[in-house]
Amino acid sequence: KAGVTQTPRYLIKTRGQQVTLSCSPISGHRSVSWYQQTPGQGLQFLFEYFSETQRNKGNFPGRFSGRQFSNSRSEMNVSTLELGDSALYLCASSWDRGSGELFFGEGSRLTVL
Amino acid sequence: DQQVKQNSPSLSVQEGRISILNCDYTNSMFDYFLWYKKYPAEGPTFLISISSIKDKNEDGRFTVFLNKSAKHLSLHIVPSQPGDSAVYFCAASAGGGSQGNLIFGKGTKLSVKP
Repeated sequence: KAGVTQTPRYLIKTRGQQVTLSCSPISGHRSVSWYQQTPGQGLQFLFEYFSETQRNKGNFPGRFSGRQFSNSRSEMNVSTLELGDSALYLCASSWDRGSGELFFGEGSRLTVL
Repeated sequence: DQQVKQNSPSLSVQEGRISILNCDYTNSMFDYFLWYKKYPAEGPTFLISISSIKDKNEDGRFTVFLNKSAKHLSLHIVPSQPGDSAVYFCAASAGGGSQGNLIFGKGTKLSVKP
């Protein structure tokens, strides 16, 4: 069974640009969550999508957005990039109403110059 | 305001000994707690969880203890093995674990020395 797949794995952008990250969940998982990991803040929840609807949202500015498609694949977008957006962006999928166990991808490492 | 705190950034133990990782939380609405392990260049992987209706959950070498009155949980690894060396994250949920919005601590880096 394939795990959570995130693309691209690494990318470099400059301030002011925008970026789109993609996540393919484990087959059958309908919930997809996004997290930002930075050395100082640890893992911070961005948002969660279930059945193409945003179900939960973390405390991030509106420059961070996401969506989910009918096949449960998800994308997140960050516009007007800032240096502080440099981070590892992790996607996780899970069963709905499950045990709370999230299955994480390997992440997309974003560097903003 | 950090709702889940792991006050020890690092911990070093000898192989075969017990590793105890601690986690404190402030939100009394949290009712489900999880531990994740993360190796470099990999995503976190689920280790063990506990519901607030329990005070202990055990899975092989891993045991999680929950003290609700103290808003404290701990992960015990016995015996510790070099392969356990990783960053351990404590996480909490207010929805019974049914949704994907977990609140994570900043992690504790465990080093198990042979």
